[in-house]
Amino acid sequence: GAVVSQHPSRVICKSGTSVKIECRSLDFQATTMFWYRQFPKQSLMLMATSNEGSKATYEQGVEKDKFLINHASLTLSTLTVTSAHPEDSSFYICSATRQRGGAEAFFGQGTRLTVV
Amino acid sequence: AQRVTQPEKLLSVFKGAPVELKCNYSYSGSPELFWYVQYSRQRLQLLLRHISRESIKGFTADLNKGETSFHLKKPFAQEEDSAMYYCALTPSGGYQKVTFGIGTKLQVIP
Repeated sequence: GAVVSQHPSRVICKSGTSVKIECRSLDFQATTMFWYRQFPKQSLMLMATSNEGSKATYEQGVEKDKFLINHASLTLSTLTVTSAHPEDSSFYICSATRQRGGAEAFFGQGTRLTVV
Repeated sequence: AQRVTQPEKLLSVFKGAPVELKCNYSYSGSPELFWYVQYSRQRLQLLLRHISRESIKGFTADLNKGETSFHLKKPFAQEEDSAMYYCALTPSGGYQKVTFGIGTKLQVIP
């Protein structure tokens, strides 16, 4: 099956610094990748949809300047949390699909971000 | 707007008992429905999708458009079924935005 790799799996950073999370599709080309945030005991909240070569589409309430998304190639999307604060601490998950229209989503293992 | 409702956050059943995880959806068009599962310390993975009409690990789910439901069922629960289950919806064709339900934790008691 298709594999999506996320890196790092855990990161601790100081308040005010920026953190970059990578999401790679290892054995397929992903025209679209999605970034989710998951709070403890809650569902996945879609943050943004990332399309290769174009600007990401952010969901309502998600700050574009805070969560920078870059999808430079068909196998890599990055999420940068800028000027991180403790309230940004969360579990971030990416997923990718192989084709348009109702395709199965393949998920990364997630990144646990802790801002101290 | 797309919406997926899973009314139960936690469902506990005894091993061998039937399981039904409820999912209702709201979408004006023609949706595709999925069930994803997350076992302890593992990533989310697809369990089944309605267009496949298949049984995976003994689980089945039928899309009921009249009731806008997509309940997940298994006749006899096993301990290894204990996990978080998420119902998800995406529009058929075109934009692939996936909306997830809040998830139901299934706990199978030995």
